[in-house]
Amino acid sequence: QVQLVQSGAEVKKPGASVKVSCKASGYTFTSYDINWVRQATGQGLEWMGWMNPNSGNTGYAQKFQGRVTMTRNTSISTAYMELSSLRSEDTAVYYCARLAKYYDILTGYYHYGMDVWGQGTTVTVSS
Amino acid sequence: DIQMTQSPSTLSASVGDRVTITCRASQSISRWLAWYQQKPGEAPKLLIYQTSTLESGVPSRFSGTGSGTEFTLTISSLQPDDFATYYCQQYNRDYTFGQGTKLEIK
Repeated sequence: QVQLVQSGAEVKKPGASVKVSCKASGYTFTSYDINWVRQATGQGLEWMGWMNPNSGNTGYAQKFQGRVTMTRNTSISTAYMELSSLRSEDTAVYYCARLAKYYDILTGYYHYGMDVWGQGTTVTVSS
Repeated sequence: DIQMTQSPSTLSASVGDRVTITCRASQSISRWLAWYQQKPGEAPKLLIYQTSTLESGVPSRFSGTGSGTEFTLTISSLQPDDFATYYCQQYNRDYTFGQGTKLEIK
């Protein structure tokens, strides 16, 4: 079945970097953008950025510009999100999500929804 | 950046109730809006995209309306499985989530 499986929990010290992986299966990896969303404990969802696995093109939320890098390895259908200069406020569950495109025949526009999610990776930043 | 504001933050209701959650955008987003459901310890689940189109497999008791800056998610008759947190998300420009509405049992 279609699924995204993420790497395991990480504990990092302030100032370090973390790299989370997201392995896709059950569909053509290069056909759907991958987005990354994080959620601090008890808080809401925060979008971090997107990556097109086919081209490698990326787009990052302004808040994370300069600190986040999204990459992929198409040979193993895996996306990666690396966040650097970690601080305590980065402690959160990080999710990857597949972006589905839905074509509206009436308007000619595409609409989007994050239809498949990874199980989440807990990243703890603590000295 | 486009800000999304949901109300209420918490909603108490009973099985069988009809409930409505509101989501307001800081600027017009046409109909570029999705809704997600999240249960504790789980990843979010896509319910609705394009303001009102149900994702495959989502029960018809869920419905969405709106355009521009004001949107609603309605659950026509609450079921025990519906008690969760709901998020709206705009995708007019990048992506922004609302802060969430926790739907709890009265």
